This record gives sequence, C-alpha cells and structure tokens, in this order.
Amino acid sequence: ETGVTQSPTHLIKTRGQQVTLRCSSQSGHNTVSWYQQALGQGPQFIFQYYREEENGRGNFPPRFSGLQFPNYSSELNVNALELDDSALYLCASSQLGSGSYEQYFGPGTRLTVT
Amino acid sequence: QQQVKQSPQSLIVQKGGIPIINCAYENTAFDYFPWYQQFPGKGPALLIAIRPDVSEKKEGRFTISFNKSAKQFSLHIMDSQPGDSATYFCAASNFNKFYFGSGTKLNVKP
Repeated sequence: ETGVTQSPTHLIKTRGQQVTLRCSSQSGHNTVSWYQQALGQGPQFIFQYYREEENGRGNFPPRFSGLQFPNYSSELNVNALELDDSALYLCASSQLGSGSYEQYFGPGTRLTVT
Repeated sequence: QQQVKQSPQSLIVQKGGIPIINCAYENTAFDYFPWYQQFPGKGPALLIAIRPDVSEKKEGRFTISFNKSAKQFSLHIMDSQPGDSATYFCAASNFNKFYFGSGTKLNVKP
C-alpha cells in the first residue's frame, strides 16, 4: 500500500450535477496530481497542486478544478458533469524538490455519470 | 497528441516466459521513465523506473532497457508468473508531470 487514500470509492451522479473527490497524500509528500483514467486507457493528467497552488494542467476544461490544503490533502471538483466524465479518478502524491521523481497512486474513485 | 506510445496492446505468455513491452516517446525533455502495474479495481503501482543517463536497470525479475537515441524504452519480465497477469503502463515525466502510455494487458498462463 502507498499510503495515498481517496474517497469516496464509488460515486454515481447525474449529468449536469457537480462532484467533489478527495485525496490524502502520503506522509512527507507535498505535491498531489490528479488523473482521469477511462476504461481500457492509461491515466490522463488533469492537474497538479504544489504548496496549495496549481502547478501545471493537462488538456481539461475549466469545469475541472481543484484545491490543496495546508496538510497537502487535495480535492478535485467537477462541475456540469457530462457522460464522458465517467472514469476512474486517481490522485498521486510525490515530493517535489526532494530530487525524487517517484509518484505514488491512490486506489482511485470510480465515478459513473448517468 | 499522445506523448508516449505503448505496444503491444495485449500479450499472452506461458509461465516462465519473458514478456517484453515497448514504449516510444518524442519529447526529449522527458527525464524520468517509470513503469506501473495495475490490477483490476486498483490504482497503478510503481514497479521500476529509469533516468535517461542509464541504459539498463534491473530490480528483481523486472528489467528496463533504455535507448536514448531511438527514444524508446522497454520492460522485460523474467521468469513470468501467473501473478504477474495485470495491465502495465509506461510513463514519461517532465517537471514531475507524467504522461502515460495506453497500457498492455499481460496474461501469463500456468
């Protein structure tokens, strides 16, 4: 186990609704990255948070937003849900600035949009 | 535009065989190349990783071969076991941002 936790495990939402997913990073890690993994695909980078600021973003619309808290935990918010948002959402923690490039994933939140 | 291309999509080997999974990239700024193993319903788990100044790295039964000039790298699994049956992802990183391949589903038959 990596020590990265995510909640909830599963979630079912209706198109147009909003959702918040949560992630607690591994102890000692200051950076959280969020990924979307569609069925049968590799994870796609959504964005990264470092020291409570967004530190890079992938090709996702503004309705995907996030937060990082002083304890380095993080939230992913998705507004105006679309059917294509159905996926496994993964967070990964790392220690930026330590010289280590290792990134550790949580178990993910399975989001289904109906 | 896919930053990292992975092949094959699926692979079946007998127990004891040596599956090989290949990845290619274009961005020469990538400076870290990890491989992840993912079981159904789980998050990806870091398996082994390499930096571009090294041509080969071994950890247990897993070996990464890296060809900087060809911009390719591969994962070899020695003496594969049924428990190695999973989906494997290569990735490439720049400034701690990771780009993943599309995955290879490996089935090791007893």
